[in-house]
This record gives sequence, C-alpha cells and structure tokens, in this order.
Amino acid sequence: AQSVTQPDIHITVSEGASLELRCNYSYGATPYLFWYVQSPGQGLQLLLKYFSGDTLVQGIKGFEAEFKRSQSSFNLRKPSVHWSDAAEYFCAVVLSGGYNKLIFGAGTRLAVHP
Amino acid sequence: DGGITQSPKYLFRKEGQNVTLSCEQNLNHDAMYWYRQDPGQGLRLIYYSQIVNDFQKGDIAEGYSVSREKKESFPLTVTSAQKNPTAFYLCASGTGSEQYFGPGTRLTVT
Repeated sequence: AQSVTQPDIHITVSEGASLELRCNYSYGATPYLFWYVQSPGQGLQLLLKYFSGDTLVQGIKGFEAEFKRSQSSFNLRKPSVHWSDAAEYFCAVVLSGGYNKLIFGAGTRLAVHP
Repeated sequence: DGGITQSPKYLFRKEGQNVTLSCEQNLNHDAMYWYRQDPGQGLRLIYYSQIVNDFQKGDIAEGYSVSREKKESFPLTVTSAQKNPTAFYLCASGTGSEQYFGPGTRLTVT
C-alpha cells in the first residue's frame, strides 16, 4: 500500500542547532512531495514542494528539503532553528493523475529549547 | 485577502445531533477537500470535490455528508452516524497538485 513514514514522532533541538526531519515514502513512481507545518490549533502551511528538477528545494522560513530517489526520501532541513519553529511538521505525497489525493505522514512534533 | 475560512473555530454538540462545519474560499480554486485530524495521526481525507455539484468519498466518509452548490463553499455535516466525531477538522482548497488549508474547526461531541 502507498504510505508515507515519518520515523520520528518527537524531536527536541536547541535554538541555533541544525535540524533534519525524516520522511520516506513507498510508491512505484516518483510522487509529488510536500512538507507542511502546523502550529498548535492551527491549519497547515505549505513549507515547500518538489515536483521535478533540482532535487534540493528551498522553502519558506529558511527550510530546505532534498529528494533522494534511491532512498525514497524527502528529508526537511534547517541550518539554524529558531524558537518559533516549534510546531508539528507533516510530510505528504500526491500521485499525479486523477484527483490530487494527498497522503500524509503521521507528523513529527518539534520542540525547541532556548 | 485571499484565503480559506472555517467557522466556528470551536464547536460543541451533544451526541446524536447533526452538526455542519462551514468552509469558504475566495481563491477561485475548483477543488476543495475535508480532512480529519486526530492526535498522533496524520490527516485523513473525508470528502473531496473537484467541481461544483460534484463530490467524491475519501478514505473515511462514513457518517459524514457534504454539498458543493457554489464554487466558494464546501460545508461538511457530521451526522449522528459518525461513531467518533470528536476531532479537528481541516478544509482545504487547491489547484493542480497544491492544497491550501483553512485554520480548522475543533469539534467536541459529548
């Protein structure tokens, strides 16, 4: 079955430290890939997306993600975390064609220590 | 400002009552979606609509109903047949493969 896995349920980092959130997907073909962020009690905000081309994509708020086809991964990174980055992060994929059904991972909750 | 609005932000109902959640968008998107979010889980698709007067069931449509009479509006009714309706409900609209989310409605049924 098609699925998205975010192996880390909770991650805690210190402010100013680097961050990497993992995402793996299981599909036969390369899907379209997304990272969303959700602050408590809020909707989801799109951070970045990958459709094709350069495998390193830049997003908002200083985030970037790298698509690695050989590993079926789309990990999210940030070089220096700010306290305001504390939130829940969701990786999602969609298969092109038909209607655009997003498949979400279970999310990674990020805590930032001062 | 363009965006997606959901109302109300918090909703409380007694068990056995139907309740309707509002979703409006002014982004001129053809497609609209309803998701349910439970703690520790990702989002699960309830219903989606690609065009006015047409909608399709998602993965967890049982106990829910929708209508799409206008491009801007996609209300979701949580019926008494939904066995566990307490959750956070998110509406989205989209174009192409991108979806944009509203702020959500937290429904509590007691």
